[in-house]
This record gives sequence, C-alpha cells and structure tokens, in this order.
Amino acid sequence: AQRVTQPEKLLSVFKGAPVELKCNYSYSGSPELFWYVQYSRQRLQLLLRHISRESIKGFTADLNKGETSFHLKKPFAQEEDSAMYYCALSGSGTYKYIFGTGTRLKVLA
Amino acid sequence: SAVISQKPSRDICQRGTSLTIQCQVDSQVTMMFWYRQQPGQSLTLIATANQGSEATYESGFVIDKFPISRPNLTFSTLTVSNMSPEDSSIYLCSVGPGGPPDTQYFGPGTRLTVL
Repeated sequence: AQRVTQPEKLLSVFKGAPVELKCNYSYSGSPELFWYVQYSRQRLQLLLRHISRESIKGFTADLNKGETSFHLKKPFAQEEDSAMYYCALSGSGTYKYIFGTGTRLKVLA
Repeated sequence: SAVISQKPSRDICQRGTSLTIQCQVDSQVTMMFWYRQQPGQSLTLIATANQGSEATYESGFVIDKFPISRPNLTFSTLTVSNMSPEDSSIYLCSVGPGGPPDTQYFGPGTRLTVL
C-alpha cells in the first residue's frame, strides 16, 4: 500500500534545540518526496523537495531509500518555525500527492 | 507564483443540501486538483480537474457526490452534493506546477460544516 507516516502529531522543542520531524513512506516505485508547511493562518506551502537537495530556512531532509524515510531536520529551532508540517510523496511526474497526517511543531521560548 | 482564491472561505450547511466551491487562479495552469482534509486527518486527493473534459476521480470518490467543472485554465468548481455531517471538512484547491516541477500551490481552503 502507498502510504506516508508521520508518527508524531505534536513535537515541542525549546528554541535553539535541534529538531527532527519524522517521515516514513511506503511506495512501489521511485517517489518524489516533499515537505510542505502551514504557518498559522496561512496556506499550505512547499518547504523543500528531496530532488533539489537544498536547505530552506535552515531545514534539510535526506531521502533514505533503505529505511524509506525522509526526515526533516534543523540544527537550531526558532520560534518562527512553529507550524504544521506535512510530508508528502508523489509518483514521478504524476502530481498525485499522498500526504502524511502532519506534525505540529511548537518551538518554546 | 500563482495566486489562488477560493469561495466561500467557510460555510455551514444543512444535511441534504449541496454546496459549490469555486477556485480561481490568477494565471493559466496546467493542473488543478481538489483535496479534502477531514478533522484531525491528512489531506486526501479527491480528483484532478481536467480542462474541457471530465475530472479524474480517486478511489473512494465519485462524480455524483463530488461533481467538478473546469471550464478554462484558471477556474474550477467542486460541488459537494447531498451533504451529510461526514462531509464536514476543509476542501482545498491546488494547482501545478507550482514553480519547481511536480510541486503544487494550494488555495486557502473552504471550511465546510454540515449540520
């Protein structure tokens, strides 16, 4: 079955602490992996995609095909990182997204 | 980046009625999609809105319940028909490509409550 799993509904960390939001997937084929973020009162927006291998707002995510994971990491959390984070996958070129249930990140002062 | 608007932003409806949600984009886009997000759950793709032809529905979603129109490259509607409380959800429109290939821009969503 094709599935994206985000095991944590809520993750609370203190400002300046490292953050890791977990994402595991199940997909037959070669998926494209994404992280989308939704800040308070804003719409869902792309944070990063695995194929670009870039760092956005200090966040990085490495695709581990052996562990079928795409965890999102940031070495030092900031209060403005507080948001809802969704991991998603699509078949290459299909645009059909499968979303995880999301993790709410709270960064405490 | 594409600017997407949805109308209405929220509505409270009675059981058995229908609601049509509009999605307007400020530029022509190739792909338009409709998602549902039920309370406490993830986003689920309902269908791909195809310009000039019938929408392509995902497993579990049917045209009679969720008729979709896409008369041009900037506009689409989703109707939630014969509503029941289980249809209470946020309905989102998205378009692609959203800048990088395979990515999407999302609308602000329509929060629907069915009594």
